[in-house]
Amino acid sequence: DTAVSQTPKYLVTQMGNDKSIKCEQNLGHDTMYWYKQDSKKFLKIMFSYNNKELIINETVPNRFSPKSPDKAHLNLHINSLELGDSAVYFCASNRMSEKLFFGSGTQLSVL
Amino acid sequence: EDQVTQSPEALRLQEGESSSLNCSYTVSGLRGLFWYRQDPGKGPEFLFTLYSAGEEKEKERLKATLTKKESFLHITAPKPEDSATYLCAVQGLSGNTPLVFGKGTRLSVIA
Repeated sequence: DTAVSQTPKYLVTQMGNDKSIKCEQNLGHDTMYWYKQDSKKFLKIMFSYNNKELIINETVPNRFSPKSPDKAHLNLHINSLELGDSAVYFCASNRMSEKLFFGSGTQLSVL
Repeated sequence: EDQVTQSPEALRLQEGESSSLNCSYTVSGLRGLFWYRQDPGKGPEFLFTLYSAGEEKEKERLKATLTKKESFLHITAPKPEDSATYLCAVQGLSGNTPLVFGKGTRLSVIA
């Protein structure tokens, strides 16, 4: 069974569109994250939720809006997509301060 | 601000040729230093956590060590299946700090 699953795996879309990425974890963790990995493979934190509450919100454009309906799910909605949003987005989860478990990533390509 | 610098950026080894990867870090109080392995098209996979200077951990051909300023990932007699990108990350003590990642070392082991 997949511990952290995110969908879709690939997302190809036009500039200006709105898209969502979904993430679910079945590990019983209380904290979930979104990381962005750029073309140089640099992983950078975007958001963190603990028990459905936003606790970390790095300098990310307002076009990105995370939503956590419950502590097992964390979705990422992106409005008005831009070329520079093209990257791989990873969902991750953990119990606070312990090792992170990552999903397999969503490769977003904005044309 | 917490920072992680990994070197070299890329490393090519012959099968059986041992070597080390370096991770230098600056953090205002270290909660933990993490090593991850990432294969192409997949999410990072946890390898080790180190908490204090002098600590060492081993797993098969990998051994991670920690000082107050850096960590090394030693690879002994590597095999082609060890080829991957190795990521180092640190977590500081203060508040809800997330893991801060380095840019990784891309390791290729040639048979």
